[in-house]
Amino acid sequence: NAGVTQTPKFRVLKTGQSMTLLCAQDMNHEYMYWYRQDPGMGLRLIHYSVGEGTTAKGEVPDGYNVSRLKKQNFLLGLESAAPSQTSVYFCASNTDREKRNTIYFGEGSWLTVV
Amino acid sequence: DAKTTQPPSMDCAEGRAANLPCNHSTISGNEYVYWYRQIHSQGPQYIIHGLKNNETNEMASLIITEDRKSSTLILPHATLRDTAVYYCIVKRLSGGSNYKLTFGKGTLLTVNP
Repeated sequence: NAGVTQTPKFRVLKTGQSMTLLCAQDMNHEYMYWYRQDPGMGLRLIHYSVGEGTTAKGEVPDGYNVSRLKKQNFLLGLESAAPSQTSVYFCASNTDREKRNTIYFGEGSWLTVV
Repeated sequence: DAKTTQPPSMDCAEGRAANLPCNHSTISGNEYVYWYRQIHSQGPQYIIHGLKNNETNEMASLIITEDRKSSTLILPHATLRDTAVYYCIVKRLSGGSNYKLTFGKGTLLTVNP
């Protein structure tokens, strides 16, 4: 049971380049999230999904797009990377079916935009 | 969801109990108190949660005041590996607002040898 897996773990991009972060969970969770964390700050929600085929904006959605074509995968895309998107990105998932309804996080993806 | 207030940092000696406070004075009746921690460079990890009764598990204890406006996370015998940022979060257990797991800056707990 791998839990929540993020790829890649590290990436350096040039300004204007595009890339996609992949999040995969093997727990059959309905809900999936993408957060970003900047130095000295808490996690901020970028986008989330409440089920396959659905996505919604979180707190800081600008500059990002997401897709949830399969229940187990949640993709985060940067169409034209900017230095302000240098951050650590965390994917997470959870389900209503679990009594304590905790959220499980991946190990993070470090992105640097130069 | 209700906002929370935590001290930015705390120190604790190894082997002693670490008591981390959290204020959530605007908490509503159907909101739970959750605690997560984030060890450096890792994803946040669930610790414990509760509604109004005190809770204990293998990691920690959670003490919630009778008026539910504040709570304390207790690590009974802190070790160096407990050095982390601890987040107190208030949220409903289920329903359409599941996504609203709002993180503040948390408390950086440093356990000293």
